Amino acid sequence: AQSVTQPDIHITVSEGASLELRCNYSYGATPYLFWYVQSPGQGLQLLLKYFSGDTLVQGIKGFEAEFKRSQSSFNLRKPSVHWSDAAEYFCAVGARDSSYKLIFGSGTRLLVRP
Amino acid sequence: DTAVSQTPKYLVTQMGNDKSIKCEQNLGHDTMYWYKQDSKKFLKIMFSYNNKELIINETVPNRFSPKSPDKAHLNLHINSLELGDSAVYFCASSQRRSSYEQYFGPGTRLTVT
Repeated sequence: AQSVTQPDIHITVSEGASLELRCNYSYGATPYLFWYVQSPGQGLQLLLKYFSGDTLVQGIKGFEAEFKRSQSSFNLRKPSVHWSDAAEYFCAVGARDSSYKLIFGSGTRLLVRP
Repeated sequence: DTAVSQTPKYLVTQMGNDKSIKCEQNLGHDTMYWYKQDSKKFLKIMFSYNNKELIINETVPNRFSPKSPDKAHLNLHINSLELGDSAVYFCASSQRRSSYEQYFGPGTRLTVT
């Protein structure tokens, strides 16, 4: 069965510092991978997605993620964090069966120090 | 214009009551979803409808009954509410069934006392 692991429950970075949020997936074939962000009191917003092709994908708000098949990872990065990036970040994998559902990781809470 | 909207935003009710949450999307999408997010932020799909047809029905108590009067609306009715039903419920939509890019509503925080 497909699954997603986000090993870090929360991460704190200083404003202006770089960020990397970890995501590992379990799936035999090439997965469809996603990162969503949930700001406090809000719904989830898609940051970026990977289906195939270039393993480095660019998303909104200056985020990028790199698909590494050898490590079964899809880590999210940002070179310089802004205070407004403080939120919950979810990695997800798309089920490749007829359900087409998204399977989410448990999330990583990002805190930003001034 | 709000793409996916839910009402109410907050819902506080007592055990044993019946309540409904409504969801509407104005994106012209074919597929809609209900998710439950528990207190640990874990997000799990409950139901999915495609053009008013139920296509995903996860292991959810039958006290939960979705209803889609048209493809722009997906409501969730919950009978005999229990303490464990307290959570944030999110509605989402996608352009079509095979499109993984989902647009989420703001959520409904349900508190059962």
